[in-house]
Amino acid sequence: DAGVIQSPRHEVTEMGQEVTLRCKPISGHNSLFWYRQTMMRGLELLIYFNNNVPIDDSGMPEDRFSAKMPNASFSTLKIQPSEPRDSAVYFCASSFYAGGPPDPTDTQYFGPGTRLTVL
Amino acid sequence: QKEVEQDPGPLSVPEGAIVSLNCTYSNSAFQYFMWYRQYSRKGPELLMYTYSSGNKEDGRFTAQVDKSSKYISLFIRDSQPSDSATYLCAMSNYMLLTQGGSEKLVFGKGMKLTVNP
Repeated sequence: DAGVIQSPRHEVTEMGQEVTLRCKPISGHNSLFWYRQTMMRGLELLIYFNNNVPIDDSGMPEDRFSAKMPNASFSTLKIQPSEPRDSAVYFCASSFYAGGPPDPTDTQYFGPGTRLTVL
Repeated sequence: QKEVEQDPGPLSVPEGAIVSLNCTYSNSAFQYFMWYRQYSRKGPELLMYTYSSGNKEDGRFTAQVDKSSKYISLFIRDSQPSDSATYLCAMSNYMLLTQGGSEKLVFGKGMKLTVNP
């Protein structure tokens, strides 16, 4: 399997522009997570989906952020309008959970990340 | 107080040294404890996974959990330059899991380790 695929790998945009980040989870996984990583705040969970349904979006910083998962093989994270403080590395991760007590095979597999710079 | 606290370092050691990385946490409901390793410009990858208190060993790596002290550790023996990376602790609890149907993790900020040849 190719692992979690994210695009673009790097994005430089100007303040006020719309940014769309894309993620293709590992085939067969039923959960998808969007994280943001900065030096100051570390790795923060923004939102996660289970079976394409958003379960917890409490980490989404503000209404400028939105995420969708139209099918099991694709998700987007959109920022509109973007601001310089949104500059960070955004990671997508996926996992498979079949029920019962978790074990290491339920672990989240991370993509390579999208490095976003908002000028 | 944040749920998970981790000294961000950085930490620099000579090759062959024993490395100790630590996290403390405040939520007593956490039951599953993990260590992720993140190489520069890569995503985190699972390194160690433990349940409840105790030790777990995997090669040069040992993970320890002390639930009474809300303290977890990762030890690296005979450290190698290839171990240079950022190490993040992560935790979850079964209630979060069953509510969401997915393993929601809470991460530490990560400790950057450099092992010098």
